Amino acid sequence: AQKITQTQPGMFVQEKEAVTLDCTYDTSDQSYGLFWYKQPSSGEMIFLIYQGSYDEQNATEGRYSLNFQKARKSANLVISASQLGDSAMYFCAMRAFTSGGYQKVTFGIGTKLQVIP
Amino acid sequence: DAGITQSPRHKVTETGTPVTLRCHQTENHRYMYWYRQDPGHGLRLIHYSYGVKDTDKGEVSDGYSVSRSKTEDFLLTLESATSSQTSVYFCAISEDIRVTDEQFFGPGTRLTVL
Repeated sequence: AQKITQTQPGMFVQEKEAVTLDCTYDTSDQSYGLFWYKQPSSGEMIFLIYQGSYDEQNATEGRYSLNFQKARKSANLVISASQLGDSAMYFCAMRAFTSGGYQKVTFGIGTKLQVIP
Repeated sequence: DAGITQSPRHKVTETGTPVTLRCHQTENHRYMYWYRQDPGHGLRLIHYSYGVKDTDKGEVSDGYSVSRSKTEDFLLTLESATSSQTSVYFCAISEDIRVTDEQFFGPGTRLTVL
């Protein structure tokens, strides 16, 4: 079965500091994609970053980077130089396909990040 | 921003009544998805569609049905709403179904079943 685990229900970080949000996953599929989404208090889901299972380099998008350790099955999100606007819920997600071609999508339960001035 | 709208944005209904939520896209994307979001569960896939009249079940499909008669519209129906279906419902779209494809999300519909 496919599973995403986010063990940090809440995190605090000082403004301008870096923070790491943890995500571990479990799958028997060889090909899968890992995603991070941000959900501010307004409710919308905002795509942040993607990492493919065959990608050898860690993904980066501006202040966001994904620390992908395939052997450990972890895909941690690193936010550098935190800003007050980074306060939000963050979700890790995985997409994969069964041998029958059906799609599986799994989200973690999220981590609430609060940036302190 | 991807052109995805959901209607209604808020709904309060009573147990046992039918409810239909609509997702409309202007991106001409082939794939559409319905999720529900509940505290402690994150987002869970209810159903998805890979083309007009082509749909498949997700993780939590019991009590829900979907229909897609046009590329741009994906309807989620609760035939007889229950209090356990109180949730925030998100529609999402993607251009293709490769694992690399980003899903774009709609604004969400908050449904309360009394």
